[in-house]
Amino acid sequence: KQEVTQIPAALSVPEGENLVLNCSFTDSAIYNLQWFRQDPGKGLTSLLLIQSSQREQTSGRLNASLDKSSGRSTLYIAASQPGDSATYLCALGDSNYQLIWGAGTKLIIKP
Amino acid sequence: DTAVSQTPKYLVTQMGNDKSIKCEQNLGHDTMYWYKQDSKKFLKIMFSYNNKELIINETVPNRFSPKSPDKAHLNLHINSLELGDSAVYFCASSSPDRGTEAFFGQGTRLTVV
Repeated sequence: KQEVTQIPAALSVPEGENLVLNCSFTDSAIYNLQWFRQDPGKGLTSLLLIQSSQREQTSGRLNASLDKSSGRSTLYIAASQPGDSATYLCALGDSNYQLIWGAGTKLIIKP
Repeated sequence: DTAVSQTPKYLVTQMGNDKSIKCEQNLGHDTMYWYKQDSKKFLKIMFSYNNKELIINETVPNRFSPKSPDKAHLNLHINSLELGDSAVYFCASSSPDRGTEAFFGQGTRLTVV
């Protein structure tokens, strides 16, 4: 059974720093991995999608990597801004079309 | 321009009532989903529909029933609401090809009192 873990559960850093969020999973048989952002009281915004055959994806200041052999994905945020404060969730797409979710990392960027 | 939209955004109701949450997507996707996010922020899939066929039905109470009048809509009906049903419910859609991106609605916060 696939299990997804995100560590740390919460992270607070000063504005301007580069940071890495981690996502680990137990079963490498995945179809894709998505990183989402959730703002308080709001919905889920897809940030990056990595297919199982890819190693990384980039969008602006965000870079996501995928290493299936080690069961890990990272989300790198460069030059963090207060507007980046949110909960970041990773989710794995499996053969049944469903997403298996981590519990998220709550990120706070201090001005 | 909203890709996946849910209504209502907030729903407060008494125990025992029957309620529905609507979801519509304008992305032309064939697969739609309902997820439940509990108080610990875990998201768990409840249902998914592909071309109006139920393809996943997790072990949710049969008080919950998805209804899809067409491939652009997947509504969630809940009968005899219980306190434990309080949560945020998310609708999502994707194309039927495995490995494609899923798009989510804004969520419906259901509070049962």
